[in-house]
Amino acid sequence: EIVMTQSPATLSVSPGEGATLSCRASQSPSSHVAWYQQKAGQAPRLLIYGASTRATDIPARFSGSGSGTEFTLTISGLQSEDFAVYYCQQYNSWPLTFGGGTKVEIK
Amino acid sequence: EVQLVESGGGLVQPGGSLRLSCAASGFMFSRYAMTWVRQAPGKGLEWVSIFGSNYVTYYADSVKGRFTVSKDISKNTLYLQMNSLRADDTAVYYCAKVGAPGGYNWFDRWGQGTLVTVSS
Repeated sequence: EIVMTQSPATLSVSPGEGATLSCRASQSPSSHVAWYQQKAGQAPRLLIYGASTRATDIPARFSGSGSGTEFTLTISGLQSEDFAVYYCQQYNSWPLTFGGGTKVEIK
Repeated sequence: EVQLVESGGGLVQPGGSLRLSCAASGFMFSRYAMTWVRQAPGKGLEWVSIFGSNYVTYYADSVKGRFTVSKDISKNTLYLQMNSLRADDTAVYYCAKVGAPGGYNWFDRWGQGTLVTVSS
């Protein structure tokens, strides 16, 4: 099983600033990594797949990068609607696994 | 527009059974794998099961042998039959559609979820 470890658990950011979220895999999932955003009481929303491809209608301030076992979600110029929990996921091997999440909160 | 609507959640006693449904519309249901993901109260996301477009299924170890995923193409509906339920199965259960046809990959559309509570 590929274990996905996200850091930090909580990130305090001021609106307008940037944020960098990390996701480390216990073994390489190739580029088969996705990122999701989840707001309180809502279903997750796909942001990034293939480690770096933005999903449909996702703003350009969201970008994904990484390879091997280290992956990053970068949010530039945080807006009020971006404060949420973010999850990484690998879909390279069974079982499919999610990271524990990073909560981005207002500083 | 893609829509996924889950139903069937509720309160069930430990050891009991429940069947969840996910009604899909807005896309060619037969071409895409469909999955179930759950979220225990205050916790993160946990993948549960997937039904591939080739009818192959996979399960998380935590539910293997107790849960069964199925798909009725004629009704555009995904199911999750849950037996021998335990307290730690308590969660919101989401169905989701994979993003690319014919494979197992990212989840690009999600339903609103249905809450399953296992308690005596």
